[in-house]
Amino acid sequence: KAGVTQTPRYLIKTRGQQVTLSCSPISGHRSVSWYQQTPGQGLQFLFEYFSETQRNKGNFPGRFSGRQFSNSRSEMNVSTLELGDSALYLCASSPGLGRGSTGELFFGEGSRLTVL
Amino acid sequence: SQQGEEDPQALSIQEGENATMNCSYKTSINNLQWYRQNSGRGLVHLILIRSNEREKHSGRLRVTLDTSKKSSSLLITASRAADTASYFCATRAFPQGGSEKLVFGKGTKLTVNP
Repeated sequence: KAGVTQTPRYLIKTRGQQVTLSCSPISGHRSVSWYQQTPGQGLQFLFEYFSETQRNKGNFPGRFSGRQFSNSRSEMNVSTLELGDSALYLCASSPGLGRGSTGELFFGEGSRLTVL
Repeated sequence: SQQGEEDPQALSIQEGENATMNCSYKTSINNLQWYRQNSGRGLVHLILIRSNEREKHSGRLRVTLDTSKKSSSLLITASRAADTASYFCATRAFPQGGSEKLVFGKGTKLTVNP
């Protein structure tokens, strides 16, 4: 079974630009979560999608947005990039959430964004 | 704010020694999970312990959970150079009115010297 695939792996943008990151979850997984990882703040939860609906959202400004498609693939977008948005963006998938699930996440390798 | 906080932030040991990392958290949990991350890569799930369990083993890993103290520990026995990585604890929190989400601590950076 193929793992979680994130594209692109590396990208460089300048302040004010926007960026779109893509995530293909493990086949059959319906939940996709996004995290931002920086040396200073660690792993910060961005949002989670399940069956095309955003189920949870972290404390990030509205410049950060996401969506999920009917095939469970997900994208996140960051508009008006700032220097502080430089980070490793990690996508994780799971079969789905519910009281009976364990919530183990399967992570992709991440997209490393550098904002100049 | 972070749900989990790992201790120590960094740990350096020799191959063959045991490594112990601790995690403290703040609210009631459904389960606690440990993940590993090699430098700049994605996280890999290691082990999960439910709130009604006190200890769990998986290969060279041993996890304990003390819900009264809101703390957990991860023990790696007979460490190897390949165990060099960052280790994160993560908890399932139940925010009021929201769905479950996994919240990570800042991690312990483990270096195993050959």
